[in-house]
Amino acid sequence: AQSVTQLGSHVSVSEGALVLLRCNYSSSVPPYLFWYVQYPNQGLQLLLKYTSAATLVKGINGFEAEFKKSETSFHLTKPSAHMSDAAEYFCAVSEGGKIIFGKGTRLHILP
Amino acid sequence: NAGVMQNPRHLVRRRGQEARLRCSPMKGHSHVYWYRQLPEEGLKFMVYLQKENIIDESGMPKERFSAEFPKEGPSILRIQQVVRGDSAAYFCASSPPAVNSGNTIYFGEGSWLTVV
Repeated sequence: AQSVTQLGSHVSVSEGALVLLRCNYSSSVPPYLFWYVQYPNQGLQLLLKYTSAATLVKGINGFEAEFKKSETSFHLTKPSAHMSDAAEYFCAVSEGGKIIFGKGTRLHILP
Repeated sequence: NAGVMQNPRHLVRRRGQEARLRCSPMKGHSHVYWYRQLPEEGLKFMVYLQKENIIDESGMPKERFSAEFPKEGPSILRIQQVVRGDSAAYFCASSPPAVNSGNTIYFGEGSWLTVV
């Protein structure tokens, strides 16, 4: 079964600093990978997805993620954090027609 | 183009009552997914349906929970004889066919069930 592991349930960064949220996947075949963001009391919104077209994937709100097969990683980054980025972020992988989510990383932005 | 619509947004039920959560997929989407979210536990897959067919229900509890997606009307997640542990946010999502081809699933705003 495919799965994703998110390292760090909580991450704090200062406003303007680099954001790095880690995700590792386990898959025996090239996976489809996703990052979603969830703001309080709302549903999930797609940030970006990897579908093997390019290893560096650009998403909305200045986020991007790089697929590294050698490291089985799909880390999410943003060069400069903004207060509005405070939310929970979920890495996910497709399996058998459904999407399996990691446990999430809550991002805190420090003023 | 309306997104995934869930209702009710908030539902309070007493122990032993039934809860029905409804989900209308995005226009043109034929597949519906239900997830449950508990604090600090992320989203747990429950069931994956297309119209009149359950494709994967491996995440559904064996008792009291059922889901359907009829030919006409919304998908319904039904929880019978609710218990306090059923209190959670339930999210519906929809997609065109073949998520394995990289199609995105789109989420609704969620239904928050509180069992008192």
